[in-house]
Amino acid sequence: AQTVTQSQPEMSVQEAETVTLSCTYDTSESDYYLFWYKQPPSRQMILVIRQEAYKQQNATENRFSVNFQKAAKSFSLKISDSQLGDAAMYFCAYRRLTGNTGKLIFGQGTTLQVKP
Amino acid sequence: DVKVTQSSRYLVKRTGEKVFLECVQDMDHENMFWYRQDPGLGLRLIYFSYDVKMKEKGDIPEGYSVSREKKERFSLILESASTNQTSMYLCASRSNRGRQPQHFGDGTRLSIL
Repeated sequence: AQTVTQSQPEMSVQEAETVTLSCTYDTSESDYYLFWYKQPPSRQMILVIRQEAYKQQNATENRFSVNFQKAAKSFSLKISDSQLGDAAMYFCAYRRLTGNTGKLIFGQGTTLQVKP
Repeated sequence: DVKVTQSSRYLVKRTGEKVFLECVQDMDHENMFWYRQDPGLGLRLIYFSYDVKMKEKGDIPEGYSVSREKKERFSLILESASTNQTSMYLCASRSNRGRQPQHFGDGTRLSIL
């Protein structure tokens, strides 16, 4: 069975600085998707960034980028130029490539605090 | 934009009650999901449905059942609520077409007294 681990329950960053959130996963499959979701306080969970395992290039979405290390089964999220609105809980998630139901396996979450 | 609506943001019920949590999506998505979110445990899948009247157990189905009579609506049922079911419940939906992500509702914070 696949598992996802986020070992940092809480992180903090100064506004305008860069922060990296860690995620490791375990799977015996060679093709899969990885995601980072953001859940702001009392607000809806939204997708931040997605990575297909068969792509070697790291995904980037504006100030958000990932460091995908397939051999190490590591998938970290880097937030550059942090903003107050980035404060949220961040979840790393895994999805199998096969099957079309889109079931996600989530990590425990990391709460990010952004200090002004 | 996809809209996933959960009927209640906050709900308080008593032990032994039958509890219904409702979720409606407006994008004709085939797949719908119910998760519970607990501190330190992340989101855990309770049940999911890949079509009307079709359902599969997730990782923690015990104590729960679901109903999907119409494509847009997916209900989570606590047959006899217990205090260990106090949690945040999140509904999500997803299209089978292309590389679509899951879209989440706002969540229902359920307290069982």
